[in-house]
Amino acid sequence: EDQVTQSPEALRLQEGESSSLNCSYTVSGLRGLFWYRQDPGKGPEFLFTLYSAGEEKEKERLKATLTKKESFLHITAPKPEDSATYLCAVQDAGEGSGTYKYIFGTGTRLKVLA
Amino acid sequence: NAGVTQTPKFQVLKTGQSMTLQCAQDMNHEYMSWYRQDPGMGLRLIHYSVGAGITDQGEVPNGYNVSRSTTEDFPLRLLSAAPSQTSVYFCASRRGGFKQPQHFGDGTRLSIL
Repeated sequence: EDQVTQSPEALRLQEGESSSLNCSYTVSGLRGLFWYRQDPGKGPEFLFTLYSAGEEKEKERLKATLTKKESFLHITAPKPEDSATYLCAVQDAGEGSGTYKYIFGTGTRLKVLA
Repeated sequence: NAGVTQTPKFQVLKTGQSMTLQCAQDMNHEYMSWYRQDPGMGLRLIHYSVGAGITDQGEVPNGYNVSRSTTEDFPLRLLSAAPSQTSVYFCASRRGGFKQPQHFGDGTRLSIL
């Protein structure tokens, strides 16, 4: 069964304390892996797309990496404004997936303390 | 540049009532979809559309209807509201082709009493 698992469920960091969020996946064929940021009361905001193992993308204090089984979102020297829920989603290219099948994880709630 | 706009932002219904959640996008995206987000669960796909006049069911379609008469609009109808449909509903759109990210609205928070 296709599955996306994110860990940890919640993470509290001091400002400047770097860490990583994990997204592990089991799908028939990965077509793309997406990272989103979601603030309370808002919709998910797109951050990165990763297509193949070994790929990396960076944006400010965030860096996303991808292997054949998981992706990491590294947060370097976080600030309080980085506090949000980070969602991972996988687009499956397996048989029967048609043109539209995204599987979302349940997210990691990040709190950065000043 | 509005992106994806959802209305209303909040709604309270009684069991058995019907209503329509509105979604509009101004990016000329081919693909649109509706998700629900519940505590402890990932976003789950309700219905989706790959273009005007074309819709299909997602993972949890029961109790919901959709139609797509224009590229811009993709309303979601609750036929007879049930407490199990209490959730936050998100509409999303994206360009055609694979590997395209979805763009989300800010959601409708729906409570069914």
